[in-house]
Parts: sequence; structure tokens; C-alpha cells
Amino acid sequence: QSALTQPASVSGSPGQSITISCTGTSSDVGSYNYVSWYQQYPGKAPKLMIYDVNNRPSGISNRFSGSKSGNTASLTISGLQAEDEADYYCSSYTSTRSVRVFGGGTKVTVL
Amino acid sequence: QVQLVESGGGLVKPGGSLRLSCAGSGFTFNDHYVSWIRQAPGKGLEWVSYMSSNIDYTNYADSVKGRFTISRDNAKKSFYLQMNSLRAEDTAVYYCGSGTMVTRGVDYWGQGTLVTVSS
Repeated sequence: QSALTQPASVSGSPGQSITISCTGTSSDVGSYNYVSWYQQYPGKAPKLMIYDVNNRPSGISNRFSGSKSGNTASLTISGLQAEDEADYYCSSYTSTRSVRVFGGGTKVTVL
Repeated sequence: QVQLVESGGGLVKPGGSLRLSCAGSGFTFNDHYVSWIRQAPGKGLEWVSYMSSNIDYTNYADSVKGRFTISRDNAKKSFYLQMNSLRAEDTAVYYCGSGTMVTRGVDYWGQGTLVTVSS
């Protein structure tokens, strides 16, 4: 069982916006603005898409945005495209011994 | 460009040992932390181990504590994961990762190497 809770799947049509939630606790998401999001295609390594809740690394499309409220962080993909179909994982810094924890992952399907 | 290249995965019997290696290039290795993350078949990501840039701090997931050891050689721009007393539940793709600050997340990822623990 993953430390952070994500929906198993989210879907949307091309051009629409979708939001993926990531719920943690006061030991991780709720206490730190250190939430990151990763995109993973089948058989490939994950790729950092968002760090520190709402910052994009160089080269990441501004269609990806992040936010946080209380113990829940969110990733929004606007203007959904076929290439966005992938698995998405959230991760948070944690005050527990683990240093960082991950969510269980969300499969995004573009209809 | 930035690269992390892993090696050392394979098939090992329960109770056996394996050493994974990860070589970094294209970035200031000494200034970055290093980590290992794994993904069991069809499952999500699991943070396994972390070592700070100056080697003064390490940590391990409870599931591997006492069995796995992370190390790094800054002169070789490489880091390692020594895995002992392997169990079937350690079967996974192991990714090496690195970044500027562990609070930010994993900036760079290796391609992954499969470790299969089976008799």
C-alpha cells in the first residue's frame, strides 16, 4: 500500500483538462511544499514534470500545472493531448524515516 | 547531456546477493544526492535508499533496512546498491536517481535494471 493516495485512473478527451489528486498526511503533503509529479510511459523511466508543488523543470509544457491544499496535492493537465497518455506518480518529502514517499500512480487515458 | 547508466541486474536465488551500479555524466555529480527507487512488476514506485551529496546522510526503506547498502564514489561519478539476503518481494526494476535537493525530487533517472529473485 502506497503512502500517498491517487485515483487509479483518470480519462479525458483531447483538448479537455483533467486533474489528478494526491492525498497524504500532515507528515508529508500537509507539512511541506515539496510535492513532485512524474510521468512514466510503459517500459520507460519516470520523468520529473513538477517539483515544489507548482514548478516546472526546463522543457516541460505549461499545460502541466500543480497545486496543493491541506493534505492533498493536484496535477492538472490542460489541453489534453494523445501524448499525455501515461502513468503519473506524485511524491512528497516526508518527516518520517523514508525521506520521500510515492503515490500508487494514476493511469491517464486520452479518449 | 545528463545520463545515468545502470548495470548489475539479473536473476538471483532467494538469500543471494547482487550489486547494482550507476554511472553519472553530464552534470556536477559531487553536488547531487543519489538514490535508488524500485518498481515491482505492474506496481508503483517505491523509494528504496538515499545518500546525500557529501555522504554524511543515508536512509533506507524499512523493507530493505539491514539488507541493502548504498554507497558512492565521487571520483568515479558512480554509486552503488549492495543487496544482500534477497527475497522474492525484492523482484523489481531498480532505477537509480539523482538530483540537486531531495526536497525537490528526482531530476535524473537511469534506464532501470531488472532484478529477479527466484529459485
